[in-house]
Amino acid sequence: NAGVTQTPKFQVLKTGQSMTLQCAQDMNHNSMYWYRQDPGMGLRLIYYSASEGTTDKGEVPNGYNVSRLNKREFSLRLESAAPSQTSVYFCASSAESYEQYFGPGTRLTVT
Amino acid sequence: QKEVEQNSGPLSVPEGAIASLNCTYSDRVSQSFFWYRQYSGKSPELIMSIYSNGDKEDGRFTAQLNKASQYVSLLIRDSQPSDSATYLCAPKAGGTSYGKLTFGQGTILTVHP
Repeated sequence: NAGVTQTPKFQVLKTGQSMTLQCAQDMNHNSMYWYRQDPGMGLRLIYYSASEGTTDKGEVPNGYNVSRLNKREFSLRLESAAPSQTSVYFCASSAESYEQYFGPGTRLTVT
Repeated sequence: QKEVEQNSGPLSVPEGAIASLNCTYSDRVSQSFFWYRQYSGKSPELIMSIYSNGDKEDGRFTAQLNKASQYVSLLIRDSQPSDSATYLCAPKAGGTSYGKLTFGQGTILTVHP
């Protein structure tokens, strides 16, 4: 099992460009999450999907949209990237035990 | 008051010693608690979960939970240089039906030979 996979691993965008971060899990988990991690700020929840067909905002949703494509896949879209969105983005998934398993992350730089 | 507080460290211990990492949380109805290890440049890795008051042991790791004091700790026995990492405490938010975790800032642990 691959666990949680994310693409791309690295990305550089110019201000105003858009992109989609992809996440997939093969653990048959119902819930999926998107976090960003910034120095001094810790891990902050952007959006989550408690189950297929549902999505909800986390702590820092502004500037992002998500799609739960199916049970396996949860994507994060930046419509108009800003330098403040320079961060490391992690996707995670969990089952009923609430234990979250993280993907390897995407390192995004917006210039 | 922060929702989850951890000493940022760095905590430096010699190889073979016990490392003690502490965490306090503000959500009185939290029932599930998790410890993650994060190596520099890598993603968080789940190392322990604890749900009941008391101690839970897994190999060299022991998690301790005291809900009345809103305190959770992680002990690492026989510390190794490979344990050098940032350790994140993450209580699950109480009263939610999904697994929302609130992460602390993390404690940097350095184990020196």
